[in-house]
Amino acid sequence: AQSVTQPDIHITVSEGASLELRCNYSYGATPYLFWYVQSPGQGLQLLLKYFSGDTLVQGIKGFEAEFKRSQSSFNLRKPSVHWSDAAEYFCAVGMGAGNMLTFGGGTRLMVKP
Amino acid sequence: EAGVVQSPRYKIIEKKQPVAFWCNPISGHNTLYWYLQNLGQGPELLIRYENEEAVDDSQLPKDRFSAERLKGVDSTLKIQPAELGDSAVYLCASSSLNEGSDTQYFGPGTRLTVL
Repeated sequence: AQSVTQPDIHITVSEGASLELRCNYSYGATPYLFWYVQSPGQGLQLLLKYFSGDTLVQGIKGFEAEFKRSQSSFNLRKPSVHWSDAAEYFCAVGMGAGNMLTFGGGTRLMVKP
Repeated sequence: EAGVVQSPRYKIIEKKQPVAFWCNPISGHNTLYWYLQNLGQGPELLIRYENEEAVDDSQLPKDRFSAERLKGVDSTLKIQPAELGDSAVYLCASSSLNEGSDTQYFGPGTRLTVL
């Protein structure tokens, strides 16, 4: 069975600083990988996804993520964080079209002024 | 294009009472999912529908939970009777096999509090 680990439960960064959120997955085949963001009281919004091809994927709101098969990782990055980025971020792995997603436990991002 | 719609957004009930949640997926999306999200955790799948057929309900506690998607469009998730431990956010998501991907779009969720 697939699994996802987000090692950092909480991260605090200063506004304008760079950000990297870690995600490691366990899956036997080539995974479908996702990052979602959840603001308080809201549903999950898709930031970006990886299925195949270029291992560096661009998403909305200036986020990007890099798939590294050798490290089983799919870390999320942003060069300059804005206060509005404060939220909970979830990494997820899927087995293919129409199948369930397995989520990590999430990383809560706080942004200092 | 309208997103996934869920109602109610919030529900407070006493234990042993029944409760129902409703979800309307994105138009044309044939796959519908119900996820449970406990506080401070990632969502976990309860049940997945392909059109009106439940194709994965292995994580649904069938002694008290039930779900239906009679016409292959909107869906209802029911708990009867509710227990204190059912307090959580219930998320609905949908996707389209026609897109050839596994991109799931989520609704805002229903936050259930059982007293």
